[in-house]
Amino acid sequence: DGGITQSPKYLFRKEGQNVTLSCEQNLNHDAMYWYRQDPGQGLRLIYYSQIVNDFQKGDIAEGYSVSREKKESFPLTVTSAQKNPTAFYLCASSSGTGFYQPQHFGDGTRLSIL
Amino acid sequence: QKEVEQNSGPLSVPEGAIASLNCTYSDRGSQSFFWYRQYSGKSPELIMFIYSNGDKEDGRFTAQLNKASQYVSLLIRDSQPSDSATYLCAVNIVSNFGNEKLTFGTGTRLTIIP
Repeated sequence: DGGITQSPKYLFRKEGQNVTLSCEQNLNHDAMYWYRQDPGQGLRLIYYSQIVNDFQKGDIAEGYSVSREKKESFPLTVTSAQKNPTAFYLCASSSGTGFYQPQHFGDGTRLSIL
Repeated sequence: QKEVEQNSGPLSVPEGAIASLNCTYSDRGSQSFFWYRQYSGKSPELIMFIYSNGDKEDGRFTAQLNKASQYVSLLIRDSQPSDSATYLCAVNIVSNFGNEKLTFGTGTRLTIIP
């Protein structure tokens, strides 16, 4: 089945540790996105990529890094510089570039601090 | 002023009635409008998108767009208990710096009362 797969579903980070969240899609979508959702807040854009080997910062990129080496994959690394990483992380993808096409989401990863 | 505003609710509607969800946005140049449903603890699921003024119907759902007044609405007819969820409005917004992104409202929590 076509879709967006995020893993792991739950992740715990120790102090000073970098962790990587996986996002894979088999929809042949060009664009991929990472969002963060905190209770009572809307989704906030962390990074997005509209083409392989290129990505752009969103509103809250500090403390995060990404790569886009393959069309299907867009991993997000939460670095130790991100002081408040506890949140629900959502990966999305859309066909075409720009923000005109609907975005479809994976099931998300919940990150907590140990 | 928030870029995308929604009443947080909760909005309580009797089963079988029409649920009306509203969203206003700040950017007169916005071209794409999306409604997502998010069940508690789950990721957002796209249910409707609309690009042109007027109504767009899909089953029990109708999206209404009025660009002159800068609002978009979602009507749910014959509301069912399974419609109980948080509904997120998303709009493409161009910032003062010329960066475009999909901006999400904080969502309206809808409860259908049997």
